[in-house]
Amino acid sequence: RKEVEQDPGPFNVPEGATVAFNCTYSNSASQSFFWYRQDCRKEPKLLMSVYSSGNEDGRFTAQLNRASQYISLLIRDSKLSDSATYLCVVNSAGGTSYGKLTFGQGTILTVHP
Amino acid sequence: GAVVSQHPSWVICKSGTSVKIECRSLDFQATTMFWYRQFPKQSLMLMATSNEGSKATYEQGVEKDKFLINHASLTLSTLTVTSAHPEDSSFYICSARANPSGGGELFFGEGSRLTVL
Repeated sequence: RKEVEQDPGPFNVPEGATVAFNCTYSNSASQSFFWYRQDCRKEPKLLMSVYSSGNEDGRFTAQLNRASQYISLLIRDSKLSDSATYLCVVNSAGGTSYGKLTFGQGTILTVHP
Repeated sequence: GAVVSQHPSWVICKSGTSVKIECRSLDFQATTMFWYRQFPKQSLMLMATSNEGSKATYEQGVEKDKFLINHASLTLSTLTVTSAHPEDSSFYICSARANPSGGGELFFGEGSRLTVL
């Protein structure tokens, strides 16, 4: 089983749609969780951290379910500029210090007019 | 925000040659930097953790004699792919944290795309 698993997609949605991505992780000791965004042939950039209570940043909402070892990202009112690969990232060594960041394979999103 | 810069962005080399990739933290000191590799349509895989002034820590399956890492200063880490072969063609990305205590956002370099002919 992969340490971090994502549905690779691709997800093709129209502008304005709501889309949700899921991610599961295998190390129950993991403490830090993130969603990164990666545009084609570019480096990943942090979209948002994921907190236990769930958190929202504008159109983006992240949820964490520790019992199920499951993370989600919800994007509301999709924009063309949201088209990218979304990476689920877990600090699999536990804690928030220098641990090994493990990346999921990414979920491809394409938003069309 | 913190900036990490990589050079070169693109490199094409002949099989058997060595290629050096530089990773610099431009406005902060990074005692630790990380080197990743990403093959097409795959996730980033951590290759090694580069520690300033000491030996790098390599992930399982990564050949330390093939991927030489040097972290001679607090703002520069280099990755040298020695005797490169076509299967080494990949996207190499470095990253670093601005927070020396270890928490906080991880900033990535722009990546270096290596093509070995």
